[in-house]
Amino acid sequence: QVQLQESGPGLVKPSETLSLTCTVSGGSISTYYWSWIRQPPGEGLEWIGYVYYSGSTNYNPSLKSRVTISVDTSKNQFSLKLGSVTAADTAVYYCARATHYANDYWGQGTLVTVSS
Amino acid sequence: DIQMTQSPSSVSASVGDRVTITCRASQGISSWLAWYQQKPGKAPKLLIYAASTLQSGVPSRFSGSGSGTDFTLTISSLQPEDFATYYCQQTNSFPHTFGQGTKLEIK
Repeated sequence: QVQLQESGPGLVKPSETLSLTCTVSGGSISTYYWSWIRQPPGEGLEWIGYVYYSGSTNYNPSLKSRVTISVDTSKNQFSLKLGSVTAADTAVYYCARATHYANDYWGQGTLVTVSS
Repeated sequence: DIQMTQSPSSVSASVGDRVTITCRASQGISSWLAWYQQKPGKAPKLLIYAASTLQSGVPSRFSGSGSGTDFTLTISSLQPEDFATYYCQQTNSFPHTFGQGTKLEIK
């Protein structure tokens, strides 16, 4: 059974960079796509982007100038960096495994608050 | 971006009821549509992909239909554990946008 776990700081200062890592267990990261999705408190879901195990990426254009998603196959991990954060980036951030059809396995999510 | 519009935004129903939720895409997405269920404080759970294929382990009372721009999620006989928020997502083109969600509440 594939499991995903997000890790990283829960508090980030405005204008700084949000950095999260997702560790995949129970399966190899060296196949499938690997997504980041976020959900502001009380709101809906926003697709941030994904990375293929080869390193190729696709990002949401609304965030593309600030986002980097990368993969480390040796550690079975993938990561999210979001730069120049503001309060609007406060959200629960989820990592997930993606096929061409859907995100089928999800992490539990981690709340990141942007505040000074 | 493809806009995904769900209706209704919320619905009240009773255990045993049949409920249908609609998702409309702003342009054709063939069958590249998934449905998720989310309970408070939990990650979304995949219910249906490719518009009508039931994810492994999901009860058969859930079903999906549609293609092109109009899609439906139907729960044939509501169970207490089905009260949650439901989201659709298109994976036809980037970015992979979600609907705004439909909250299913107990009447």
